[in-house]
Amino acid sequence: GAGVSQSPSNKVTEKGKDVELRCDPISGHTALYWYRQRLGQGLEFLIYFQGNSAPDKSGLPSDRFSAERTGESVSTLTIQRTQQEDSAVYLCASSLPKASGASYNEQFFGPGTRLTVL
Amino acid sequence: QKEVEQNSGPLSVPEGAIASLNCTYSDRGSQSFFWYRQYSGKSPELIMSIYSNGDKEDGRFTAQLNKASQYVSLLIRDSQPSDSATYLCAVLDSNYQLIWGAGTKLIIKP
Repeated sequence: GAGVSQSPSNKVTEKGKDVELRCDPISGHTALYWYRQRLGQGLEFLIYFQGNSAPDKSGLPSDRFSAERTGESVSTLTIQRTQQEDSAVYLCASSLPKASGASYNEQFFGPGTRLTVL
Repeated sequence: QKEVEQNSGPLSVPEGAIASLNCTYSDRGSQSFFWYRQYSGKSPELIMSIYSNGDKEDGRFTAQLNKASQYVSLLIRDSQPSDSATYLCAVLDSNYQLIWGAGTKLIIKP
């Protein structure tokens, strides 16, 4: 079946503009994650959605960052008033719900959105 | 602070040899362990999952888990230049949070 898709693949914006990034998870995957990866760095957790539960926003770096997800479908990550430090690849991953047992919690990643803030 | 530690490398291995990648974790209650491969400019790709002590083999890859010593390793047999990538270790802790290591860069020299 189809994997995780993200759009756009590349986004160049000017400092101070708002950007919206989109993620379409694997069908049936109720858990969705957003990560940020700066050049040469590891994965930085941003936010986690599980079904209709309140999202875990503990990784969002500032109030300029927000994300939404309707049910178990598409999610959008919005960055307001972008800064040059926001330049990074933004990765989305989806998985079955957190639980014990084989194959749960395996996260599958989309191709990412490379954001460049000039 | 729960941690997952990996040597950043680069780890250089001759083609055809065995590459050994190691990962240690701090939460003794961790329950699931994953190895991801990330090629430069690409997103992470899941290559191995392991849930119980011992070895799990899949083709040229073997994951080894030792919960008593709190480490997990990935062995790549008959290393190929196409195995050159950054390998990320991820650990599901006792609160079902996935904790990521910073990755080990592996270089396979022809």
